[in-house]
Amino acid sequence: AQKITQTQPGMFVQEKEAVTLDCTYDTSDPSYGLFWYKQPSSGEMIFLIYQGSYDQQNATEGRYSLNFQKARKSANLVISASQLGDSAMYFCAMIWAMDTGRRALTFGSGTRLQVQP
Amino acid sequence: EAQVTQNPRYLITVTGKKLTVTCSQNMNHEYMSWYRQDPGLGLRQIYYSMNVEVTDKGDVPEGYKVSRKEKRNFPLILESPSPNQTSLYFCASSLGRVENEKLFFGSGTQLSVL
Repeated sequence: AQKITQTQPGMFVQEKEAVTLDCTYDTSDPSYGLFWYKQPSSGEMIFLIYQGSYDQQNATEGRYSLNFQKARKSANLVISASQLGDSAMYFCAMIWAMDTGRRALTFGSGTRLQVQP
Repeated sequence: EAQVTQNPRYLITVTGKKLTVTCSQNMNHEYMSWYRQDPGLGLRQIYYSMNVEVTDKGDVPEGYKVSRKEKRNFPLILESPSPNQTSLYFCASSLGRVENEKLFFGSGTQLSVL
């Protein structure tokens, strides 16, 4: 069964430093996608970055990069030059297509990041 | 600007009073879906739609209805809301192709059923 594991319930980082949020996943399906979302205290789910299972290069979006290690089944998020506004809950998620065509989405339990001045 | 728009952002209602949460996307996405987020349970899929007039149940469809009469709109209907439907709801959309499964979420609707 597909599963996402985020082992860090909470993280602290100093402003302007880089931080890595861990994510490992489990699936036997060769075709899947991995996401990172940010959920601030206001509740909305903000898309950060996406990596397809067939993508050869690691995804990057501005200060966000995804360290995709397929053999290890890990998809860690790296945030460079942390800002106070980065304080939020971060979710790793995986999407795959079931036999019915339904896109099933599994989320990890989340990591709460706090950026300190 | 490409976006998924949900309304309302917050909603307080009473048991049994029918309500509709609207969802609209401007990206010509084929795939749309509704999720609910509850503490300790993560996000769970309620219904999804592969295209116009094609909808199907997700993991927790009981008590909900959806329709997809137009590609851009995918409303969530609660015919007779109950307190156990108090939750944070998200609509999401994507192109629906295996090679491009980026899923975009709306801002969420916090629903409280009294």
